[in-house]
This record gives sequence, structure tokens and C-alpha cells, in this order.
Amino acid sequence: NFMLTQPQSVSESPGKTVTISCSRSSGSIALNYVQWYQQRPGSSPITVIYEDYQRPSGVPDRFSGSIDTSSNSASLSISGLRAEDEADYYCQSFDSSSGHWVFGGGTKLTVL
Amino acid sequence: EVQMVESGGGLVQPGRSLRLSCAASGFTFDDYTLHWVRQVPGRGLEWVSSIDWKSDSLRYADSVKGRFTISRDNAKNSLFLQMNSLKAQDTAIYYCAKLVGASYWGQGTLVTVSP
Repeated sequence: NFMLTQPQSVSESPGKTVTISCSRSSGSIALNYVQWYQQRPGSSPITVIYEDYQRPSGVPDRFSGSIDTSSNSASLSISGLRAEDEADYYCQSFDSSSGHWVFGGGTKLTVL
Repeated sequence: EVQMVESGGGLVQPGRSLRLSCAASGFTFDDYTLHWVRQVPGRGLEWVSSIDWKSDSLRYADSVKGRFTISRDNAKNSLFLQMNSLKAQDTAIYYCAKLVGASYWGQGTLVTVSP
């Protein structure tokens, strides 16, 4: 299996933009879709981005996703940060060779 | 409204078994591959197992392979996880989930493996 590596924590001020990275250890990041989940304390995860950059209905357009083949990574950007965005964020993808689903280690976002 | 409700968690001794269930509603259950994902409180998400809509393709994380068995009953919109030979390291909140597209997750059921 490949690994997805995320920073343990990021922090930014309200109203600013923050970007969380998710680096794939082997195989192209473009090979399989990347999803992003938000998990607030005490709650189940919810999808904020699926299939690299798609937003589920109800997720504000302040959330955007992208992939970069040159760095073999995916990114989640959140603009106009709000206190309610403070949560853990996980990237996730699929390993075609093993049939396993892979989660990143998670990033704790603090809105200062 | 989509609902996924897990049950069957609890305190169990090492080496014993437990069966988790997940009752789903509000979406076309047999259209989707479904998953079990676990999370040690305060830690990250770990994919455990998946099952396709026909129960033809069953996949397991290396950490549970040979001990856990996933199954489903499409007629009853239910997903199951039979967990045998439980270890302390299996202690976690277990979520059932549909991960494709906009995901659906249950609220989780806590499994504690301890003497």
C-alpha cells in the first residue's frame, strides 16, 4: 500500500486562506480519486471534497480541492476561514493494486 | 434522510468475539460498496474492510485479515462485521460508511477489548 502523508497541524486566522497537503508515497496521485473529510470533535466525518475537487451539496464553495502531479500530492484549501472550520481533516484514496482504501493521518486545523 | 446506525459494540475480553451491525436507510443500499472504518479515540481514521454490492469482493486491512469477516444483507439493508480473536489493539470506535461520492457515516459504536 502507498501512504498518504499530511501535516499534523495547521493554523490560520479567521478570514484567511489555509491549504492542507496530502502527499502520496508511491504511484501517481492522479491514478485514484482523492477525498477529503472534515471531523469535528465528537462527530462522525463528513465529506467536504470528493473525486479530487468535487463539492457535495451543502459544502460551501470556500472549500476547494486539487491535485498536483509534479509534487504527487493533493491539497484542500479553505478560504475565508471561520471558527466553525476548526476540525480534523483527512485525505483518503484507493489503492488499486491491493483493493485497500487508504486514509491520511489527519491534520488538525486551528482557527486562531 | 440517510441514516446508518451501528450497534453491537461493547467491552470484550482479548481473544473473544463480537459482531457489529449497521442498519442503513434513506439510500439505495445495494447500489454501493460499503465499509467499516475505525478510529482509536483521539487518533486518526483507519480503513478496516469493504464489501461490494454483490458480496463478491471482500477486502480487509492487513491488521484484521484472517480475524474479521464483513458481510451484508441487501434485503434488510444491513452491514455486518464479525470480529474474532480480538486484541487490545482493536479497541476503537467502529463506523460503517459509504465512501463513494458524498459519503455517509454512522455515529459509530465503541469496541473496548480489555481483560
